[in-house]
Order: sequence, then structure tokens, then C-alpha cells
Amino acid sequence: DTAVSQTPKYLVTQMGNDKSIKCEQNLGHDTMYWYKQDSKKFLKIMFSYNNKELIINETVPNRFSPKSPDKAHLNLHINSLELGDSAVYFCASSQGVATDTQYFGPGTRLTVL
Amino acid sequence: QKEVEQDPGPLSVPEGAIVSLNCTYSNSAFQYFMWYRQYSRKGPELLMYTYSSGNKEDGRFTAQVDKSSKYISLFIRDSQPSDSATYLCAFLTQGGSEKLVFGKGTKLTVNP
Repeated sequence: DTAVSQTPKYLVTQMGNDKSIKCEQNLGHDTMYWYKQDSKKFLKIMFSYNNKELIINETVPNRFSPKSPDKAHLNLHINSLELGDSAVYFCASSQGVATDTQYFGPGTRLTVL
Repeated sequence: QKEVEQDPGPLSVPEGAIVSLNCTYSNSAFQYFMWYRQYSRKGPELLMYTYSSGNKEDGRFTAQVDKSSKYISLFIRDSQPSDSATYLCAFLTQGGSEKLVFGKGTKLTVNP
């Protein structure tokens, strides 16, 4: 059973398009995260939700909008995609706050052409 | 000064070697210190977690923290080809917005 799953695994799209990435965790965790890992492998947090409530919102363009329909799901919608959005996006979850172990999904590799 | 500095490598060692991976940090508010391992095209996974200065051992892995020098290390004894991965140090403050801050990762290859 996959603990944290993401779909799709790969996403290739044109500049200007809108796309969504879905994340689901079956660990019963309360907190979920979105991270971006750029071409230089630098991993940086974008958003964090606890029980469907946004608790961390880093300096991310407002073209990125997370949505948490329930505490097991955290989706990421990106409007008007730009070349610089090309990266691997990781979803993660933890039991409670960030001091609990975070479990990462397999990543979604987004390529914007 | 960057908040976290980690030599990206790459680091290539023969099987059985002792590997030393290091990070320095500048934020005195960091209270938790972690090492994540990331295999190619996979998500990171937590390897070691400590919140105090000193050493913590887990099998072939030892995490070392020196808060006074703002320096953390991960030692791998008797390295195996299966240890080939990128190792990321990670830090966490307590209070306020708790978020993991990662180093850029060191790519390690252990050659059989």
C-alpha cells in the first residue's frame, strides 16, 4: 500500500496552460505539504495544511493554489504555467506538526515547454 | 550568508569506505536536525533525526551535531552500493511557522 501517492507522475505541458497535481495519503496524518525541487535538487516548502487549514504559505506566486478537500488529500493547481515552473513537486504528510516525521510521495515531474 | 550550506559533491567512494557528509547553518533558531536520503527519481525519506548536540547512532549511520559551531555531519560506516543516493540535511525551528529547511543535497556514489 502506497503511503503518499501523487498523480500524475509526469506532466508535460505548454506555457500558459493550467494544470493540477493530486496527492493522497492513507496514513491518517493531519498535516500535508507541497514542496518544489528545482533542477539543482534544491527542495523548498511551498504550502502546508493541517486538518484542511492552511498553516504555511511561502513566497509562492498566486498562480499556485493548493486545495484540501479533506485531510487525506491536498491538491495543487497551477494557473498560467511558466517555464520556471518546471521542477519536481513533492507532496508529504506528517502526523501533526513539522517535528513529526514527514513522509514524501514519489514526486510529479512537471515540464513546461 | 546562506541559511544552510551543503557541498553538493558528487562524492564517489569505494565499497566499504567511511563516508562523511556535512552541513553548516547560520540560523541559531534551528532546534531539530535531520538527514534525509533521496534515491534517484524518488521522494526523500528520513534517515536520522536528532535535537541535541552530540552523536546519535543507528546501525552503520551516525549523526553528529555541534550546535556551538553550527555544524552537522552524517557518517556512514562500511558503505554499500545501496547507499548510493543524494543525502539532504534538514533543519527545523520550533515555534512560529515550523517548516523544514533543506540543504541542497550531496550526491553519493558507492562503487562496488
